[in-house]
Formats: sequence, C-alpha cells, structure tokens
Amino acid sequence: GAGVSQSPSNKVTEKGKDVELRCDPISGHTALYWYRQSLGQGLEFLIYFQGNSAPDKSGLPSDRFSAERTGGSVSTLTIQRTQQEDSAVYLCASSFLAGGGSHEQYFGPGTRLTVT
Amino acid sequence: DQQVKQNSPSLSVQEGRISILNCDYTNSMFDYFLWYKKYPAEGPTFLISISSIKDKNEDGRFTVFLNKSAKHLSLHIVPSQPGDSAVYFCAARGTSGTYKYIFGTGTRLKVLA
Repeated sequence: GAGVSQSPSNKVTEKGKDVELRCDPISGHTALYWYRQSLGQGLEFLIYFQGNSAPDKSGLPSDRFSAERTGGSVSTLTIQRTQQEDSAVYLCASSFLAGGGSHEQYFGPGTRLTVT
Repeated sequence: DQQVKQNSPSLSVQEGRISILNCDYTNSMFDYFLWYKKYPAEGPTFLISISSIKDKNEDGRFTVFLNKSAKHLSLHIVPSQPGDSAVYFCAARGTSGTYKYIFGTGTRLKVLA
C-alpha cells in the first residue's frame, strides 16, 4: 500500500513569504505528527493530531506556525512570514493508535524548505 | 532541555562486529521507547521498540536493552553489515495518555567493509 507522502519535496521561498506543506498519511492511521530536522540536528517535535484534533501543539516554535488536519486524513503545516531560521527538512509521520502495540510511526520523505 | 540524549554523534564499526548505540533519558515517566534508522534524503524507518515493563527485546540482528534505573537504553546490531550505515535515532514516549515522542539527536553509524 501507499506510504506517507509529502509535498512539495523541495521548497525555496523568500524571507517573509508564507508557505504551506502538505502531508498525506497512510489510510486509516489515526495519528499524524509533524517534526522538523535542522541541519546537523535531531528530530524536533512540532505537533501531533489524533483524528482532527491536536492534543499537543507544544513544539510549534512561534505563532507563525500553524497546522490543521481535515477529515482525519490530510494535514497542512503553514508557516507565515518565513524566516531564514525556518530552513529545515519538515517530516510528517502517521501511526495507527490502538490499545497496546508499539505505535510505530511511518515517516514520509520530508519537505526540504529553504528560506532565502 | 534535551530529555533524550544520544551522546555519541558518530560510530564506526567493522563489518561482522557488534554495533552498540546508546541513548540516555531524563524523564522517569517515559514508558515506551523506539529506535529508528534514517538514510540520507529519506524519512526515518522504524526498527524496534521496547516497553518500560521489559528490559530486552530482540528482532533478528537487532536487540534493544533497557536499564530503567540508569535511564539508559542501547541498540545492539550483530553482526553489523555495510547496509546498516545510517543515522540511528532513539525516541521516548511519556505517559498519561500522550502519544508524543521525544527524539534524540541521532548517532551516525558507519560499518566498514
């Protein structure tokens, strides 16, 4: 079956512009996660969704960052007024949350965002 | 405040030998741990997990050990193969119904042929 897909794969934008990053999770997965990985850094948690609601938004770096998920499926991460420090690879993951189990997350290939 | 730490940024091992990747955490409430492998330009892929009620989990060449008193886990790969060369991340989950995972900064493993 299809894995997690993200679009675009690469995005170059000018400082101050808004960008939207899209994630299509694996069909039937109830949870969806956004992370970012800056150059030479680990995975930084941003936000996760259970269904359409976001129980934990604690990782969003500033109010310029927002995310939504509709229909329990596709999610969009929006960054307004981009700054150079927003340059990173943005990774999306999904998992099937049920009682027990490893709740392993399946990751997409990421969107590489470059703010010039 | 880094709650999950991988203090070795890189590790080189000869093919056929054992690779040991380490991970330390600070929050005793973490109850589930996972290891992921990441190749360049790809998303991480799940390797193996362990619950805090266990101290060992094995899957083929991969074994994860958990020492709760030391707040330490390790991933053993034996025998190591050149295809294992990648960045390895450990991740930990808190309790209280959260499904948020905190990832370490990763260890780059290089298996030398």
